[in-house]
Amino acid sequence: DIQMTQSPSSLSASVGDRVTITCRASQSISSYLNWYQQKPGKAPKLLISAASSLHSGVPSRFSGSGSGTDFTLTISSLQPEDFATYYCQQRYSTPRTFGQGTNVEIK
Amino acid sequence: QVQLVESGGGLVKPGGSLRLSCAASGFTFSDYYMSWIRQAPGKGLEWVSHISSSGNTIHYADSVKGRFTISRDNAKNSLYLQMNSLRAEDTAVYYCARDGPFDPWGQGTLVTVSS
Repeated sequence: DIQMTQSPSSLSASVGDRVTITCRASQSISSYLNWYQQKPGKAPKLLISAASSLHSGVPSRFSGSGSGTDFTLTISSLQPEDFATYYCQQRYSTPRTFGQGTNVEIK
Repeated sequence: QVQLVESGGGLVKPGGSLRLSCAASGFTFSDYYMSWIRQAPGKGLEWVSHISSSGNTIHYADSVKGRFTISRDNAKNSLYLQMNSLRAEDTAVYYCARDGPFDPWGQGTLVTVSS
């Protein structure tokens, strides 16, 4: 199975900050990497697919990059509605696997 | 609009069974792989199973293999998860999602396994 490791597990940031979350795969997954946002009590929502493709309706302050084993999710200017947990997920092979999540909290 | 609605969750004793359903609307259900994903209380996301558009290809996580069965009825735009031999560690919110990538997700249904 492909292991997905996110860092950090949590972070505190202020509105307007630039935030970067890293996701590392245990083997190469090309660009088969998706990012999701989850708020408490809600289902996750797709932010970015294929490592860097912004999903419809997602604000342009979100961006993704990387390929192979190392990926990043960047929020260019953190907004109040962005405080949530973020997950990466590989769809290169089965079983599909998720990172452990990164909780973005208000500083 | 594209929508998924799960049902069938509840409280069940260890060793018991439960069948979850997921009703799809707003897209051509028969064109897509579909997945079940779960989230234990306070924990991260765990993919459980997926099924191809025709139902011919199915995969499971090792944690549920031999106990859970995924199926679909394309005529009814519905996805199912039959869960047998339930354990306390199966307690979670279960989501259905359109596969490749996972979007959209249903609202989730809570399964609690407890005596």
